[in-house]
Amino acid sequence: NAGVTQTPKFRILKIGQSMTLQCTQDMNHNYMYWYRQDPGMGLKLIYYSVGAGITDKGEVPNGYNVSRSTTEDFPLRLELAAPSQTSVYFCASTGTGSNQPQHFGDGTRLSIL
Amino acid sequence: QQQVKQSPQSLIVQKGGISIINCAYENTAFDYFPWYQQFPGKGPALLIAIRPDVSEKKEGRFTISFNKSAKQFSLHIMDSQPGDSATYFCAASLQGGGNKLTFGTGTQLKVEL
Repeated sequence: NAGVTQTPKFRILKIGQSMTLQCTQDMNHNYMYWYRQDPGMGLKLIYYSVGAGITDKGEVPNGYNVSRSTTEDFPLRLELAAPSQTSVYFCASTGTGSNQPQHFGDGTRLSIL
Repeated sequence: QQQVKQSPQSLIVQKGGISIINCAYENTAFDYFPWYQQFPGKGPALLIAIRPDVSEKKEGRFTISFNKSAKQFSLHIMDSQPGDSATYFCAASLQGGGNKLTFGTGTQLKVEL
């Protein structure tokens, strides 16, 4: 199984540009998450979804948007890229039972210049 | 407000030694405490987890010690090996609520020969 797949792996954007980070999972998980990881800061939750058509804000949602039209896909959209959004972005998924482990993709490294 | 505090930020241990990483939490409603291991260029992966109704959980060389009254938990890596060199994150979550995780800031472990 592929698990959680993120694309692209690397991307450089100019300030003000927009882009979509793709995330897809093949484990039929209802719960999906987007995190950003900054040095010394751990992982911060941006948005999450408990099922198709349902999304909610996490700890650091400003500047981002998400959609969940299918169980498999959970794209993250940056509309107006800012230098503060330079980070490594991780997508994760898990089952609906309590205390299920989150399965992470290998991340997208994004630089805003 | 950081709800899970992790220390130390970095740790160097000799091969065969014991690595100890500590975490403290604030929210007494947390009921699940996993540890994730992350290698460079990869996403975090679940290493071991504990619920607050037990004080210790051991899986191979990895042990979680949990002190509910002190709101602290720690990861012990016995007989540390160079292959254990990675970044370790503690985390906490609430039952329900989408299985969201609150992460600590991470500890970079290096095991030297």
